[in-house]
Amino acid sequence: GQQLNQSPQSMFIQEGEDVSMNCTSSSIFNTWLWYKQEPGEGPVLLIALYKAGELTSNGRLTAQFGITRKDSFLNISASIPSDVGIYFCAGSFSGSARQLTFGSGTQLTVLP
Amino acid sequence: ETGVTQTPRHLVMGMTNKKSLKCEQHLGHNAMYWYKQSAKKPLELMFVYNFKEQTENNSVPSRFSPECPNSSHLFLHLHTLQPEDSALYLCASSQEPKETGELFFGEGSRLTVL
Repeated sequence: GQQLNQSPQSMFIQEGEDVSMNCTSSSIFNTWLWYKQEPGEGPVLLIALYKAGELTSNGRLTAQFGITRKDSFLNISASIPSDVGIYFCAGSFSGSARQLTFGSGTQLTVLP
Repeated sequence: ETGVTQTPRHLVMGMTNKKSLKCEQHLGHNAMYWYKQSAKKPLELMFVYNFKEQTENNSVPSRFSPECPNSSHLFLHLHTLQPEDSALYLCASSQEPKETGELFFGEGSRLTVL
C-alpha cells in the first residue's frame, strides 16, 4: 500500500524560531492535508492542498504541495508555546477522505 | 467544539469486559470513520460507514464490532480485548462524495485494556 514518510519524528525548538517538516510519498497524491493534534485532543485540519506547486498560508503556517506530487512541506514561522503538538500530514490520490494515508507525525516542543 | 463528540473520553477495561464507544457528529455529514491511534504510528483506519452502510473493514479483529444506526451516530462495541488494543480511538466524519479528503475528528476515547 501507499506509504508516507514524515520527518522529523520530533523537534525541540526555542520560542521564536521557524520550523520546517515534510512528508514524502512512495506514490503520487492529488490531495495533501496537514493536521495538528494537541495533547488530549483529536487532529484538527490546518491546511489543505489540491494542486501541484500550490503554496497556501494559514497565519504563521505555510504549506506547499510538491511539484512532483510526491511530497509536501509545512513551515511554521516565529513559533510560540501554543504551537506544541503533533503535526500529521495526510495524502490521497483519489481525493476521497476514506482513502487518506497518514504520516506518523512530527512531535513539536517549543521551549520558552 | 469540533462538531464530532466522543464518549467516554477515557475507558479502562479488563480483558473479559464488554464496553462500547460512542460517537456523534453534528456536521450533517454522511460518512463516519473509526481510527486507531497508537504512539508514533500513523493513524490506522478501522471502519468506514457511508450512508449507514459499512464500506470498509480493514482486517480488524472481530473483537471490535461497529454499529451505525444513522448517519449521525457511530458505535464501536468492544469485547474480550487484548492489552495491545490499548490506544486512542478516534471517530471522524466527512461529506462524501466531496473530493477534498477533509476529515473532521472527535477528541478521541483513550482505551486502556488491563
